[in-house]
Amino acid sequence: DAGVTQSPTHLIKTRGQHVTLRCSPISGHKSVSWYQQVLGQGPQFIFQYYEKEERGRGNFPDRFSARQFPNYSSELNVNALLLGDSALYLCASSTATGAGEKLFFGSGTQLSVL
Amino acid sequence: RKEVEQDPGPFNVPEGATVAFNCTYSNSASQSFFWYRQDCRKEPKLLMSVYSSGNEDGRFTAQLNRASQYISLLIRDSKLSDSATYLCVVRGDYGGSQGNLIFGKGTKLSVKP
Repeated sequence: DAGVTQSPTHLIKTRGQHVTLRCSPISGHKSVSWYQQVLGQGPQFIFQYYEKEERGRGNFPDRFSARQFPNYSSELNVNALLLGDSALYLCASSTATGAGEKLFFGSGTQLSVL
Repeated sequence: RKEVEQDPGPFNVPEGATVAFNCTYSNSASQSFFWYRQDCRKEPKLLMSVYSSGNEDGRFTAQLNRASQYISLLIRDSKLSDSATYLCVVRGDYGGSQGNLIFGKGTKLSVKP
């Protein structure tokens, strides 16, 4: 079975541009979460979606938005890119949203903002 | 105080050594606990969940002390392939985290021949 897939794998943008990152969860998983990992830090929670509804939002500005589609895939959008947005963006899927649910991560999108 | 704090690394150990990582978390409402492993420039992968009674998976043993808000990971008979960054992770339905994973910064382990 395919794991969590993310696209693109690498992306270079300039300040002020916007970017869309895509994620397909593991088949049968209905929850998708997005995390940002800056070099040298642990991943930081951005959003969680379950059954196409936002279930959680981390401490990120409104420039960050996301959505989940009927097939449970998801997009993360970032507007007005800043240099500090350069990071590895990870998508994770799980079957549901319970506290004991295990998350499985995709290999991420490495975003570089110049 | 950070929500999840881990031992600063790196840990450089010889093959066959036993190494222990420690982690503390700040919010007593945290409900679930995990150790993830992350290889350089790769995604985090679940190593093991951590249960109150302690649990073991082969050479790996995890312990949880809720009273002290302390989590540990013990690796016995270290292998070269254990070289990675180990992330302590907690999850709880509180505040802005909305029940999602909170990661420590990670502790880097290098196992040398």
